[in-house]
Amino acid sequence: TQLLEQSPQFLSIQEGENLTVYCNSSSVFSSLQWYRQEPGEGPVLLVTVVTGGEVKKLKRLTFQFGDARKDSSLHITAAQPGDTGLYLCAGAGHTNAGKSTFGDGTTLTVKP
Amino acid sequence: NAGVTQTPKFRILKIGQSMTLQCTQDMNHNYMYWYRQDPGMGLKLIYYSVGAGITDKGEVPNGYNVSRSTTEDFPLRLELAAPSQTSVYFCASSYDSGGYTGELFFGEGSRLTVL
Repeated sequence: TQLLEQSPQFLSIQEGENLTVYCNSSSVFSSLQWYRQEPGEGPVLLVTVVTGGEVKKLKRLTFQFGDARKDSSLHITAAQPGDTGLYLCAGAGHTNAGKSTFGDGTTLTVKP
Repeated sequence: NAGVTQTPKFRILKIGQSMTLQCTQDMNHNYMYWYRQDPGMGLKLIYYSVGAGITDKGEVPNGYNVSRSTTEDFPLRLELAAPSQTSVYFCASSYDSGGYTGELFFGEGSRLTVL
């Protein structure tokens, strides 16, 4: 069974601060996704990383896939209240044919 | 752009009642999924389907059943509802790009309360 551990579980920061969320596993994934979920809504895909060492940027969000494709991080620069939400990582692996393994999520609150 | 549509959005059931959560997608995706999400938690896979006529159990299938007679529809059946099934249920779909991509498109969720 492939497991993904996210940390921290909760994060409360002031507007303008930077933060990093981590997603770790002992398993290798063929791709890894990050989603954001706002209250009362379904998760929305932010990014997919597939290559070890890959870095992708989405405005103030920077996503990195570990060299060994076992871990990933999400860094937010100058957080804004609109970044508030639940951030989920999910891995798609060769042994999980047709399905993803989800982490338990990081709840981010950005205070104005 | 409809995407993934779930109905109903809210439902209250009594213990022992049964119901079906409906899910339909208009993106011609092969893969479809049902997840449940308990408060403050991540997503747990209930059942999934890699194509019409094919279904398989996820992590937490007990108390649920599914069918996939068409590409578009993937209903989730709850038999003999129990308080432990109080949760928010999400349907999702994904496309086949020479294999599973991991990129899921979610519905808005169905909030179920069993009293």
